[in-house]
Amino acid sequence: DAKTTQPNSMESNEEEPVHLPCNHSTISGTDYIHWYLQLPSQGPEYVIHGLTSNVNNRMASLAIAEDRKSSTLILHRATLRDAAVYYCILRGPNNNAGNMLTFGGGTRLMVKP
Amino acid sequence: DTGVSQNPRHKITKRGQNVTFRCDPISEHNRLYWYRQTLGQGPEFLTYFQNEAQLEKSRLLSDRFSAERPKGSFSTLEIQRTEQGDSAMYLCASSLMTSGGAGQFFGPGTRLTVL
Repeated sequence: DAKTTQPNSMESNEEEPVHLPCNHSTISGTDYIHWYLQLPSQGPEYVIHGLTSNVNNRMASLAIAEDRKSSTLILHRATLRDAAVYYCILRGPNNNAGNMLTFGGGTRLMVKP
Repeated sequence: DTGVSQNPRHKITKRGQNVTFRCDPISEHNRLYWYRQTLGQGPEFLTYFQNEAQLEKSRLLSDRFSAERPKGSFSTLEIQRTEQGDSAMYLCASSLMTSGGAGQFFGPGTRLTVL
C-alpha cells in the first residue's frame, strides 16, 4: 500500500479553521484518499474520502492537490469535540482485494478553548 | 440500525485463559473486518470476511486466534491461551463490497486486559 505522512500533532483554537495536511507522494492513479478520526477510547470514525476532486460533507472538506501527492482535511470551525487523532489513509480500487485500512500514526489534534 | 456493536466492551482475563468477542455489523454490510489497536498506535488489520468466507488473514493473527462469521452476519473472534501481549483494543468494522470509495464503519471495540 502507498504510504502517507502526517504531522504527529497539531494545535488549534476553538472556532478557528483547522487544516490537517497529508502527504502521499507515491499514490497511484486509482487510490482513494480516506480520512478517519478517532476519539479517545472509541473506534475510528469515517470522515470523508475523495479521488481527484475536492469533496465537502457535513463534517469536513477534503482538498486534494492537482497532482494528488498531498491532501488537506479542513475543519471549518474547530470545536472542543474535534480533539481527536486524524488518520489519512489510501485505499485501492479493487473490489476483490479486501480493501482493509492501513493506519499510520495519524495527527493528534488538540483544540484550545 | 444503530451501527456496529461489539460485546463485551471490556474483558479482563488471566494469562492462559480463552476469550471470545462478538461483533454485530451493520445489517446490509457484506464485509466485516477485525483490527487490533495497542496504546498509542493506529489500528492494525487482523482479518476480514466477505459474507461468511474468511478471505484474508494478517500474519499478526497467530494460531491462537480464530475468527468466524457462520451465517454471514455476526462474527466472533476467539483467542486461546491468552498472553499478556494480547492486551489491546479489538475493533470490528463493516462495509459494503464496493470500490475503494466505500467507508468502513467501526464498532466501539472490546478492550482486553490479560493479567
